Amino acid sequence: DTGVSQDPRHKITKRGQNVTFRCDPISEHNRLYWYRQTLGQGPEFLTYFQNEAQLEKSRLLSDRFSAERPKGSFSTLEIQRTEQGDSAMYLCASSRQGNEKLFFGSGTQLSVL
Amino acid sequence: AQSVTQLGSHVSVSEGALVLLRCNYSSSVPPYLFWYVQYPNQGLQLLLKYTSAATLVKGINGFEAEFKKSETSFHLTKPSAHMSDAAEYFCAVMRVGAAGNKLTFGGGTRVLVKP
Repeated sequence: DTGVSQDPRHKITKRGQNVTFRCDPISEHNRLYWYRQTLGQGPEFLTYFQNEAQLEKSRLLSDRFSAERPKGSFSTLEIQRTEQGDSAMYLCASSRQGNEKLFFGSGTQLSVL
Repeated sequence: AQSVTQLGSHVSVSEGALVLLRCNYSSSVPPYLFWYVQYPNQGLQLLLKYTSAATLVKGINGFEAEFKKSETSFHLTKPSAHMSDAAEYFCAVMRVGAAGNKLTFGGGTRVLVKP
């Protein structure tokens, strides 16, 4: 069990650029979640996958955001045409179906200048 | 819809003193409740969880929480604070179902431990 891995740990980008983050869940976990956390706030749910199927998306996930999990293993979160308001910590979590415990990665800190 | 309210965004305690972090929830169904801790520049680590078994739940690092349905509360306590307890703590309620186990977090409480 190597834990949930996220890459990169930090990303600085200019407004209008596209960014992509990667999450590698714990290997036997078929559920994967993305959350966003802004400074001084609790994490907010963005989206959820069961295997390769994206089963739920938050209203926070605008059209500029897209997430994929093509083979039911790792996932990517892409933000197009970044805005300063996108600056946040993006957290990934995974779990095994039937187990309510979510394991979180260390997150990707995005700064949009 | 489920929600969580954490009372107090910052708590300062002396080393060795009681730590009490307050959490109230709202849920239309029997809730699953969690406390997570987050150290600087790290992800969230599960401290403890309530899943409709014993109302007093013991977690890691000497923390425990008590589920009180009548008060819709799930307060977190630790009898004696240690310097290493300085961190941010999040209470969360979970929607459990075939559509996935979605966590809704409170705003967090940052704990400062004074020597």
